[in-house]
Amino acid sequence: EVQLVESGGGLVKPGGSLRLSCAASGFTFSSYTMNWVRQGPGKGLEWVSSMSSSRNSISYADSVKGRFTISRDNAKNSLNLQMNSLRAEDTAVYYCARASSGSPVYFDYWGQGTLVTVSS
Amino acid sequence: SFVLTQPPSVSVAPGQTARIPCGGHKIGNKSVHWYQQKPGQAPVLVVYDDSDRPSGIPERFSGSNSGNTATLTISRVEAGDEADYYCQVWDTNSDHLWVFGGGTKLTVL
Repeated sequence: EVQLVESGGGLVKPGGSLRLSCAASGFTFSSYTMNWVRQGPGKGLEWVSSMSSSRNSISYADSVKGRFTISRDNAKNSLNLQMNSLRAEDTAVYYCARASSGSPVYFDYWGQGTLVTVSS
Repeated sequence: SFVLTQPPSVSVAPGQTARIPCGGHKIGNKSVHWYQQKPGQAPVLVVYDDSDRPSGIPERFSGSNSGNTATLTISRVEAGDEADYYCQVWDTNSDHLWVFGGGTKLTVL
């Protein structure tokens, strides 16, 4: 069974940093592109970042470019998101999502999310 | 980047058919995916590649895509279908890889 479990969320002050992790199991993690998607309180889904299976293709939404860094450890089946210079508007539930293999690509499995609150 | 437009809400009586549109410039040229999200839960894929259903998703869920509008259709709506629905495309023309619509709240009257 595919499982994605996020952790690392919490309360942080504006300008602070936080590191999120996503533990994957039930599939060959090293074969899949992985993603972070967030959802602000009462808002819709917003794609944040993607990293390919081999780590050679990385993309970020404009809203986080230069502040967030995605990484993965294929040996530990984990995906990470280092978030720096956090702003109030980064407050959201952050989901880890697997991109399907083949074409077209969609997000076939999601974690339950971890809440990040940026507030003084 | 590519923009997807969804109505904020759609209402339908139980047993009727709900149609949720997702508008975008020449969206018919793209593959559209749909997610269902119930309160406090993670999104769940209900339709991919315009009209295909993942295993475990009822046949009542279907999709179509042509011109400037993709549509998620839910037949014989049940109370349990009440949720937010999001469309999604892969924007190959920019580095903003993935785009979601703003979401539509489906209310079962």
